[in-house]
Amino acid sequence: QVQLVQSGAEVKKPGSSVKVSCKASGGTFSGYALNWVRQAPGHGLEWMGDINPIFGKANYAQRFQGRVTINADASTSTAYMELSGLTSEDTAVYYCAREGSVHAPFFEYWGQGTLVSVSS
Amino acid sequence: EIVLTQSPGTLSLSPGERATLSCRASQSVYSNYLAWYQQKPGQAPRLLIHGASSRATGIPDRFSGSGSGTDFTLTISRLEPEDFAVYYCQQYVSPPWTFGQGTKVEIK
Repeated sequence: QVQLVQSGAEVKKPGSSVKVSCKASGGTFSGYALNWVRQAPGHGLEWMGDINPIFGKANYAQRFQGRVTINADASTSTAYMELSGLTSEDTAVYYCAREGSVHAPFFEYWGQGTLVSVSS
Repeated sequence: EIVLTQSPGTLSLSPGERATLSCRASQSVYSNYLAWYQQKPGQAPRLLIHGASSRATGIPDRFSGSGSGTDFTLTISRLEPEDFAVYYCQQYVSPPWTFGQGTKVEIK
């Protein structure tokens, strides 16, 4: 059974950066895209970007272009999402999620979520 | 990008009743690349349906999905107490992958 375990909650200052990790176990790490989805308090789900560890190339939602970096380390089955230039609007729970089938980005497996709080 | 609009925003029903949730896309979601998720407070979303009508592993058959093109429906045939939650649709035909704003199914 695929499991995704994320790093713990973070408290950050405006203007700083945060890096969240997502370690996969069970199943095959490479070949399936790892996605990052965030959810601001009381709001819906927002896709940020993804990476396929086999190719190492990340894709980003336009609104996060230039601020987000997603990468993956196949040797440790871990994906990372770094978001820079944080503002209070980036306060959210950040989830990693793995696609259910190759090249079919519906999200069958989810991490437990990482709360990132941005406050001065 | 494809905008998904879910309706209603809130559905107030009693256990045992039927729930019908709608998801409308701003452009065609061809190949029925549409998924539904359930989310309970403090939990990650849970995949219910993919390909518009295929139940994910372990999902009870009281959950069913239908539709094509721009109009999709999630039906819960008889609500169980554990089904009261927020439901989201998501398209994966054209990046960026987008979600609807959610429908909350609450106990009447």
